[in-house]
Amino acid sequence: KAGVTQTPRYLIKTRGQQVTLSCSPISGHRSVSWYQQTPGQGLQFLFEYFSETQRNKGNFPGRFSGRQFSNSRSEMNVSTLELGDSALYLCASSLARTGVDTQYFGPGTRLTVL
Amino acid sequence: KQEVTQIPAALSVPEGENLVLNCSFTDSAIYNLQWFRQDPGKGLTSLLLIQSSQREQTSGRLNASLDKSSGRSTLYIAASQPGDSATYLCAVIRRGSQGNLIFGKGTKLSVKP
Repeated sequence: KAGVTQTPRYLIKTRGQQVTLSCSPISGHRSVSWYQQTPGQGLQFLFEYFSETQRNKGNFPGRFSGRQFSNSRSEMNVSTLELGDSALYLCASSLARTGVDTQYFGPGTRLTVL
Repeated sequence: KQEVTQIPAALSVPEGENLVLNCSFTDSAIYNLQWFRQDPGKGLTSLLLIQSSQREQTSGRLNASLDKSSGRSTLYIAASQPGDSATYLCAVIRRGSQGNLIFGKGTKLSVKP
């Protein structure tokens, strides 16, 4: 079974631009979660989607948004990029039965904002 | 608010040594606790998941325990190898918050040949 895939793997953007990251979950997984990882803050939860609905949201500004498609693939968008948005963005998928399932992570997208 | 702490932040051991990594959390109302491994610049690899009703889980040379009442978990690595060098992260899912893993900052392990 193929793992979680994320595209692109690396991105370089400038302040003020917007960016869209993509995540394809493991086949059969209906939940996709997104995390931001920085050296200072560690791993922080952005949001989680299940069956095309946002089920949970972390404490990030509205510039961070996401969506999930009917095939469970998910995208996240960051508008008006700031230098502090430079990070490794990870997505994870799971079967998502009431929190008991293992989350499987993709390799991440490394975003650099100049 | 759930907080997860991992001690020590870094650990260096000689090859072959048994070692213990520690994780503590402030709110015992969790669904499960998961241990991950992260290699530099890479994503996370799931090692072990312990349900809230369980006390421990084992996989090969790894053994993880969970004590909800004291808010602690340990990851025991037997006979460490240089290939075990990585950052180890623990994370919990709080009850009522599906898909939202709360992570510690990790323990960076270095196993010297």
